[in-house]
Amino acid sequence: GESVGLHLPTLSVQEGDNSIINCAYSNSASDYFIWYKQESGKGPQFIIDIRSNMDKRQGQRVTVLLNKTVKHLSLQIAATQPGDSAVYFCAENIGDDKIIFGKGTRLHILP
Amino acid sequence: KAGVTQTPRYLIKTRGQQVTLSCSPISGHRSVSWYQQTPGQGLQFLFEYFSETQRNKGNFPGRFSGRQFSNSRSEMNVSTLELGDSALYLCASRPDRALGTEAFFGQGTRLTVV
Repeated sequence: GESVGLHLPTLSVQEGDNSIINCAYSNSASDYFIWYKQESGKGPQFIIDIRSNMDKRQGQRVTVLLNKTVKHLSLQIAATQPGDSAVYFCAENIGDDKIIFGKGTRLHILP
Repeated sequence: KAGVTQTPRYLIKTRGQQVTLSCSPISGHRSVSWYQQTPGQGLQFLFEYFSETQRNKGNFPGRFSGRQFSNSRSEMNVSTLELGDSALYLCASRPDRALGTEAFFGQGTRLTVV
């Protein structure tokens, strides 16, 4: 069925280090992927997206990598800061405009 | 520009009751989607409305329904509430339905069914 999953429910990273959050998706027909960040008490916030015809996209301190061969998506956060503490969701946009979310990874920043 | 506004923020209802949640999208946005978020199931798609028409629906029972008005504001209704309906209900708006259009989320309505 349609599903987007995450390898690790919780990731602890030292402040200043790089964070890598991974995601596996199952629908090979998906043509658009998004990463969202959700802080406590708030709705998800768009971080970065990537279309299926790309394998890498960079933003400010964030990079998304897409490997269609193994249906894998990752979010890299450079120089992780305390403000990066949140739950991160990968999401998959299926052609009929339905966005399917993964269950989320909690990023915990160690001082 | 005001963001997506959801009301109420918090709601407590009794089993068997019904509830209506409201979402006001960003001005000019015509697509509104609803999601249910629970610790066990994560974010699950409920339905999407565009120009007052339901364009897409998730795998939820018929107790969950919604509508969109001509000003793009949307409501969702849950009838005969069950304990398992306790969740954060999130609304997201987009200007249109084109692929790659960013969705903006509201803060959600926290529904507790007792």
